[in-house]
Amino acid sequence: EAGVAQSPRYKIIEKRQSVAFWCNPISGHATLYWYQQILGQGPKLLIQFQNNGVVDDSQLPKDRFSAERLKGVDSTLKIQPAKLEDSAVYLCASSPKTGPYEQYFGPGTRLTVT
Amino acid sequence: DAKTTQPTSMDCAEGRAANLPCNHSTISGNEYVYWYRQIHSQGPQYIIHGLKNNETNEMASLIITEDRKSSTLILPHATLRDTAVYYCIVRGNYGQNFVFGPGTRLSVLP
Repeated sequence: EAGVAQSPRYKIIEKRQSVAFWCNPISGHATLYWYQQILGQGPKLLIQFQNNGVVDDSQLPKDRFSAERLKGVDSTLKIQPAKLEDSAVYLCASSPKTGPYEQYFGPGTRLTVT
Repeated sequence: DAKTTQPTSMDCAEGRAANLPCNHSTISGNEYVYWYRQIHSQGPQYIIHGLKNNETNEMASLIITEDRKSSTLILPHATLRDTAVYYCIVRGNYGQNFVFGPGTRLSVLP
């Protein structure tokens, strides 16, 4: 079974620029998550989708971050404009549905904002 | 905030058992204990989870104390490839998300 795919793997941008990350979850997984992982810390949930609806976006900085999941499959996470403190690894994960199911993580996108 | 407390780092000799402790004294009756690990430059990888009984799979064993306030993840024969950060997470059945703490950095030494 193919895992969670993410692209790009690395991205370097200047502050105030915009950037977008793409995630393709495991086939058939209804729930999709985006996490932010700052160096030396554990991942922090940004947003959770159930199919194409948002379940939890309480920790998403909505003034600059946005995310969508068209047709309940692929998802994109956008940052506009980026700040230095957005430098982190952005992880996408999926699970069969909401509940006591393990999450499967992609390799992440490492963002560096200069 | 994470509901668990783990040591910052641990060392283990290759071929020996690695025992990683986790305290979760405020765990409630319907919350599971999950373990993930994150190898450098990769996303977290699911290892095992349990409610109150001990669990074993091809990767590890999970021992949960009778009062459920602590648990231990056991890697029976650690290899160099087990060097990673190990996260212990407490999570309920529905609606709650994973809250990752800083985890334990396990170094398996040759």
